[in-house]
Amino acid sequence: AQKVTQAQTEISVVEKEDVTLDCVYETRDTTYYLFWYKQPPSGELVFLIRRNSFDEQNEISGRYSWNFQKSTSSFNFTITASQVVDSAVYFCALSGNTGNQFYFGTGTSLTVIP
Amino acid sequence: EPEVTQTPSHQVTQMGQEVILRCVPISNHLYFYWYRQILGQKVEFLVSFYNNEISEKSEIFDDQFSVERPDGSNFTLKIRSTKLEDSAMYFCASSQNRLAGGAGELFFGEGSRLTVL
Repeated sequence: AQKVTQAQTEISVVEKEDVTLDCVYETRDTTYYLFWYKQPPSGELVFLIRRNSFDEQNEISGRYSWNFQKSTSSFNFTITASQVVDSAVYFCALSGNTGNQFYFGTGTSLTVIP
Repeated sequence: EPEVTQTPSHQVTQMGQEVILRCVPISNHLYFYWYRQILGQKVEFLVSFYNNEISEKSEIFDDQFSVERPDGSNFTLKIRSTKLEDSAMYFCASSQNRLAGGAGELFFGEGSRLTVL
């Protein structure tokens, strides 16, 4: 079974603080792919990153960084020096090696307070 | 940059009415999907479509739902007799390749919000 858990429902931070969004996944597939999407108040889903299961190298893109750890089945997302424009719901998702669908977590609503 | 477009952006309908949500996937993509997000909840898979037929569907996608690719560009989701619990944001998505094995990347439209009264 495929499952994604985002235990943090809502997070509020003050602008310029760092914030980490947690994602824990379950899968029996040996090869799988993990994603983060951002959903701003306007409602669309914006792709942020994709990682495959055999590449545990952490990635940094500007103020965003991702920490993938297979040993703990986690794919956490950190925003450094948060800004008001980062306020959104963030979804972690999983795609396995079988089937042709994404499994989304329940999302974490991030509010950055000016 | 190519994008997935959806119409209408918002539709209000009476319970029991038929609704058709339309999507234009990215032109060279071969796999098409519908996802649903009930307000405040997670995004859920409904159906995937390839080579003019459904390749996968979830338990949510019952006999009230159907999909069609009536021409070379549109991809539609029809709900035959809407229920209150069908109120949600419906996202269309497309990919060039199969998602399995990571060959594909999913591109989402901006969503169609359906409100059933």
